[in-house]
Amino acid sequence: QKEVEQDPGPLSVPEGAIVSLNCTYSNSAFQYFMWYRQYSRKGPELLMYTYSSGNKEDGRFTAQVDKSSKYISLFIRDSQPSDSATYLCAMRRSYNTDKLIFGTGTRLQVFP
Amino acid sequence: DVKVTQSSRYLVKRTGEKVFLECVQDMDHENMFWYRQDPGLGLRLIYFSYDVKMKEKGDIPEGYSVSREKKERFSLILESASTNQTSMYLCASSSMPGTKTTDTQYFGPGTRLTVL
Repeated sequence: QKEVEQDPGPLSVPEGAIVSLNCTYSNSAFQYFMWYRQYSRKGPELLMYTYSSGNKEDGRFTAQVDKSSKYISLFIRDSQPSDSATYLCAMRRSYNTDKLIFGTGTRLQVFP
Repeated sequence: DVKVTQSSRYLVKRTGEKVFLECVQDMDHENMFWYRQDPGLGLRLIYFSYDVKMKEKGDIPEGYSVSREKKERFSLILESASTNQTSMYLCASSSMPGTKTTDTQYFGPGTRLTVL
């Protein structure tokens, strides 16, 4: 079993839809959670960073962590065609180790 | 803004060739990483370095070596390229853990390597 599971998609939604992207994990030691966005033929870029359980909002993006269920989510409101990309979740055990464990990524397509 | 650059965006090599992939970061980061990314497998860590001349194996180091002679530069070497090393190679850097808890890895644009 992989430490981090992520549905590969593709997920195809109309412009303006609310998108929910999710990851599950098996290691309860993970405390720091990240979402990266990767456009085609580009490197991943950090989108959201959260610590422990709870929500974090940044514009149209909300990251949610539920440590009791070992489940993290990224919500995108009012999705735009420019949001079309692959979204990777990543997590690490503590802040004194920088090894990240990545999900395989979910490909999102937002059509006009 | 953090800038991580990689020497080539696309590279085509022949089986058995020695291949060098270069990565440079301009943020004085201590840590540097090499990953490969393949469909369905995600990002897999090949090697990482916490300091100049230091290196540690990641999850898939076989067939690769690295060099870090200067803080800003981290090179990945394929001693004898094989077709199963055809992949997207991504370099990343980060500051030393413990300086800021929100620090994370910043990626370069990637090098798409094809080995024929």
